[in-house]
Amino acid sequence: NAGVTQTPKFQVLKTGQSMTLQCAQDMNHNSMYWYRQDPGMGLRLIYYSASEGTTDKGEVPNGYNVSRLNKREFSLRLESAAPSQTSVYFCASSEAGYSNQPQHFGDGTRLSIL
Amino acid sequence: GESVGLHLPTLSVQEGDNSIINCAYSNSASDYFIWYKQESGKGPQFIIDIRSNMDKRQGQRVTVLLNKTVKHLSLQIAATQPGDSAVYFCAEKSGGSYIPTFGRGTSLIVHP
Repeated sequence: NAGVTQTPKFQVLKTGQSMTLQCAQDMNHNSMYWYRQDPGMGLRLIYYSASEGTTDKGEVPNGYNVSRLNKREFSLRLESAAPSQTSVYFCASSEAGYSNQPQHFGDGTRLSIL
Repeated sequence: GESVGLHLPTLSVQEGDNSIINCAYSNSASDYFIWYKQESGKGPQFIIDIRSNMDKRQGQRVTVLLNKTVKHLSLQIAATQPGDSAVYFCAEKSGGSYIPTFGRGTSLIVHP
């Protein structure tokens, strides 16, 4: 039981390049989330998917797109990377986001944009 | 590892001491609260949660206290060990919302 798996773990991009961060969970959770974490700023929500087939913007969605591929997988895409998107990205899932259940996190993707 | 703890409040304790980490929350409508532990280079890990109809909940070596009157949450760690060194942060959520609000965290340093 792996929980939430994120790939890749590390990535370096040049400004303007695109890439997709992958996330998969094996807990049969309905809701999935993408966060970014910057030093001293805590977790900021980029996008979330309340259930398969739905996605919604979070606090900082600009420059990102998401796809809920199926119940297990939720990907985050940077179409044209900018240095301001250098961050650690975390994917999380929860049984049903509106219910009182905790989120479970992956170990993150460390992304540097030069 | 990355500097997740940069500029965060820090609590330094000796191994074997009890630790208390505090969190003030903002939304009086919040009815669910969670504590997470984040070790360097890893994702946040769920520790313990509490619902607003309770004021205390105990786990293994951890206790969460909730004071709704002053909107305050605390995490007590008994007999703190070096492996407890990490950033701890709380999260709050109101019923029906999909989005928890996370605090910035406290860095716990345990000296052997």
